[in-house]
Amino acid sequence: LAKTTQPISMDSYEGQEVNITCSHNNIATNDYITWYQQFPSQGPRFIIQGYKTKVTNEVASLFIPADRKSSTLSLPRVSLSDTAVYYCLVVLSGSARQLTFGSGTQLTVLP
Amino acid sequence: EAQVTQNPRYLITVTGKKLTVTCSQNMNHEYMSWYRQDPGLGLRQIYYSMNVEVTDKGDVPEGYKVSRKEKRNFPLILESPSPNQTSLYFCASAEYRAQQYFGPGTRLTVT
Repeated sequence: LAKTTQPISMDSYEGQEVNITCSHNNIATNDYITWYQQFPSQGPRFIIQGYKTKVTNEVASLFIPADRKSSTLSLPRVSLSDTAVYYCLVVLSGSARQLTFGSGTQLTVLP
Repeated sequence: EAQVTQNPRYLITVTGKKLTVTCSQNMNHEYMSWYRQDPGLGLRQIYYSMNVEVTDKGDVPEGYKVSRKEKRNFPLILESPSPNQTSLYFCASAEYRAQQYFGPGTRLTVT
């Protein structure tokens, strides 16, 4: 299983763009990078998934360099409600495999 | 509405008294999984199921059982609960393993 490393915590202010980087040096060829968001006492919620280059949806963007050993989740113009824990996962698509959530990054958005 | 439901949401029990936490999804997903979440340890996978009658161990399966007799249901069974199983439990389902849909959680206390 590819292990991921992310910062334990980050602070930001409302209206700023936030970038959370995840390191996954042992990512395999068929692995996908996936990000989840979790609020206290709630189940994680899927944010975005990508394989290479850039993926964008209505919530976030995901940047993946050519070597795929890291990825960056970008949250544009954060608000107080974006305060949550963000998890980076590396997932093998297409075969039976357990999923491992790391410790995540606690993002705190300040007014 | 597409959702994953868990019951009960809160449970206080005593050591050794068998209990079952139910999980049901209405999205016709093949993949289902159970996680526990503890402070400082993040989300850890207990068991997962790729399809009916197919289950496999996750990171922390000891003390738990699961069954997958129907596609929509994936109950978690604690045959003889112990205090170290006090935790917040989440059930999840997915069509594609990375994009999992989580239930609201079950907070279990074993005294």
